[in-house]
Amino acid sequence: GAGVSQSPSNKVTEKGKDVELRCDPISGHTALYWYRQSLGQGLEFLIYFQGNSAPDKSGLPSDRFSAERTGGSVSTLTIQRTQQEDSAVYLCASSLTGYNQPQHFGDGTRLSIL
Amino acid sequence: AQKVTQAQTEISVVEKEDVTLDCVYETRDTTYYLFWYKQPPSGELVFLIRRNSFDEQNEISGRYSWNFQKSTSSFNFTITASQVVDSAVYFCALRGSGGSYIPTFGRGTSLIVHP
Repeated sequence: GAGVSQSPSNKVTEKGKDVELRCDPISGHTALYWYRQSLGQGLEFLIYFQGNSAPDKSGLPSDRFSAERTGGSVSTLTIQRTQQEDSAVYLCASSLTGYNQPQHFGDGTRLSIL
Repeated sequence: AQKVTQAQTEISVVEKEDVTLDCVYETRDTTYYLFWYKQPPSGELVFLIRRNSFDEQNEISGRYSWNFQKSTSSFNFTITASQVVDSAVYFCALRGSGGSYIPTFGRGTSLIVHP
């Protein structure tokens, strides 16, 4: 069975460019989360989608960050005018609805800003 | 507000030693769920176990065991006879049932098992 799929695996770009990161959740999972993990650090929550409800954007660090989820499935995280401090691994997770449901994580996208 | 504390930043052991990873949590919810995840050097976080607040029964799975104690708000994870493949970062997480579905993660404990 397919797990959470993220693309690209690695992305190197120049400061100031826009980047798009993609997440394909597990089929049937209504909840989708984006996290950022800097080198050797813990997980920083970015945004949460649940079904057709308005997303919880409380973790987005600046207005350069945005995300959308089309058709309740695939999600795209966009970072505009990238800065060097945006360099990190961006992780996507999905789960079934419910407080007791564990998250299933993708392999992440390693983003490097030159 | 919820909080998860993993006070051990890094633990280094020699193969076959037993090791316990500590997790202490805070929540005002009476019903809540605790999770452990493993992140090996390859990077992908893998779900290990879930425990709900009304079930204090300890659990054993092979060399892994979990000790949940509500009295001390702890959910500790023990690896018996550690192996090199156990080397990873381990995260403890909490999700209360009183509001947001967004879990609270600890900062993780890096376990290094030397051959």
